[in-house]
Amino acid sequence: DIVMTQAPLSLSVTPGQPASISCKSSRSLLHTDGKTYLYWFLQKPGQSPRLLIYEVSSRFSGVSDRFSGSGSGTDFTLKISRVEAEDVGVYYCMQGVHLRTFGQGTKVEIK
Amino acid sequence: EVQLLESGGGLVQPGGSVRLSCAASGFTFSSYAMSWVRQAPGKGLEWVSLISGSGGDTSYADSVKGRFTISRDNSKNRLYLQINSLRAEDTAVYYCAKDILGSCTSITCRLDYWGQGTLVTVSS
Repeated sequence: DIVMTQAPLSLSVTPGQPASISCKSSRSLLHTDGKTYLYWFLQKPGQSPRLLIYEVSSRFSGVSDRFSGSGSGTDFTLKISRVEAEDVGVYYCMQGVHLRTFGQGTKVEIK
Repeated sequence: EVQLLESGGGLVQPGGSVRLSCAASGFTFSSYAMSWVRQAPGKGLEWVSLISGSGGDTSYADSVKGRFTISRDNSKNRLYLQINSLRAEDTAVYYCAKDILGSCTSITCRLDYWGQGTLVTVSS
C-alpha cells in the first residue's frame, strides 16, 4: 500500500500571509500513462471534503487561484498565496495511482 | 445539480451487520465509478472501497477486505456498502463520493462530489 505523509499536521497563519503544506508518498505517483495522480482536498468544519487540486497542479472548478499545487514523483506541496478566514479547515492529500490513500491531514487555523 | 444522499447508519452491536445506501442524482450514474470514504470521530479520511460504473470491478482497502462489500444498482441510481462483523473501529461517518477511473478534467474528477455522510456507531 502507498503511504501518504503530510507535514506539518497543524498550521496557524496570519490572514494575508502564505501557507504551505507538504505531502510525501512512499512510492512514485507517476503512472505509466504519464500523469501523476496526486490530489488535494479541504474539509471545512462540519462539512464534507471538497476537491481543490487534481493531478498535482490543476485547480478544480470554482477553486480560488490563491491555491496552487506543485511537485513530482513522491514530493508534493500545496500553497495558499494569501490565507483568508474561509480557508480554515483540514487539508488532505490523496494518491490515486493505486486505489486511493489519504494523508493524515493538516489543520489550518487563523492566528 | 449533482446530489448524493447516504442513509442506513445508526447504532449497531459489535459483530452485527449494516447496509449503507447512497442515492445519486444529477449525473449519469452508470457512467461513473463511485467510492466510499469513512472518517472516524475526530480522525482523518480513510478510503474504503471503489466500484466501476458497470459494477464489474471493485476494490477495497486492506483494512476492510473480507468484511465490506460494495455494490450498485444502476437502474435505481443507488450505491451500497454492506458491512459485516462490525467492530468498534468501524465507528465512523461513511461518505459516498462520485469518482472516475482515469484522468480528470476541470469539471469531472476523482471524489469531486461527496454526500453529507451517514454515521455508523458500533457499540453494545
